Amino acid sequence: EVQLLESGGGLVQPGGSLRLSCAASGFTFSNNAMSWVRRAAGKGLAWVASINGNSDTTPYADSVKGRFTISRDNSKNTVYLQMNSLRDEDTAVYYCAKCGVGGGTSCQHSGLDVWGQGTTVTVSS
Amino acid sequence: DIQLTQSPSFLSASVGDRVTITCRASQGISSYLLWYQQKPGKAPKLLIYAASTLQSGVPSRFSGSGSGTEFSLTISSLQPEDLATYYCQQVNSYPLTFGGGTKVVIK
Repeated sequence: EVQLLESGGGLVQPGGSLRLSCAASGFTFSNNAMSWVRRAAGKGLAWVASINGNSDTTPYADSVKGRFTISRDNSKNTVYLQMNSLRDEDTAVYYCAKCGVGGGTSCQHSGLDVWGQGTTVTVSS
Repeated sequence: DIQLTQSPSFLSASVGDRVTITCRASQGISSYLLWYQQKPGKAPKLLIYAASTLQSGVPSRFSGSGSGTEFSLTISSLQPEDLATYYCQQVNSYPLTFGGGTKVVIK
């Protein structure tokens, strides 16, 4: 069974940093691209970033470009989201998701087929 | 960026009703569209990919259709457990974008 477990959320002051982790199991992790998606309270889902299997493609949403960095360690089956210069508007539940529906391995032209339960990030003074 | 417009944003229907949610893309995305269900306090769950392919394990009362810029998700007979917010997502090009969501409540 594919499982994704996020950790690292918490309360941080504006301008601060936080690193989220997502531990994966139940599939060949290095084959699949991974994504982070967030949902702020009272708002809808918003894609944050993706990373392909060998880490050479890492697109970002404009709202986080230059502040957030997605990375992965295939030896640990883990994907990360380093968040710097955090703002109030980054407050949200952050989900990691496995890309590759229908046997695919990418996010683009495929989609997100399994999601973690989410970790909450609160940016507040 | 490709914008997705979902309608309605809120829907109230009775058990057994046929329910349809639409998603309109600001430019053509072929069939690169997915539908997700998010129940309160839970993670999103994939229902439909490639516009009309039912994800394994999803009840057959859910169906998707469309291509290009107009898409729809239909629940043929609404059940109490279908209380949720539904989102469309395009995966044609980055940035991957979601529709604003449709909250479905049971009358």
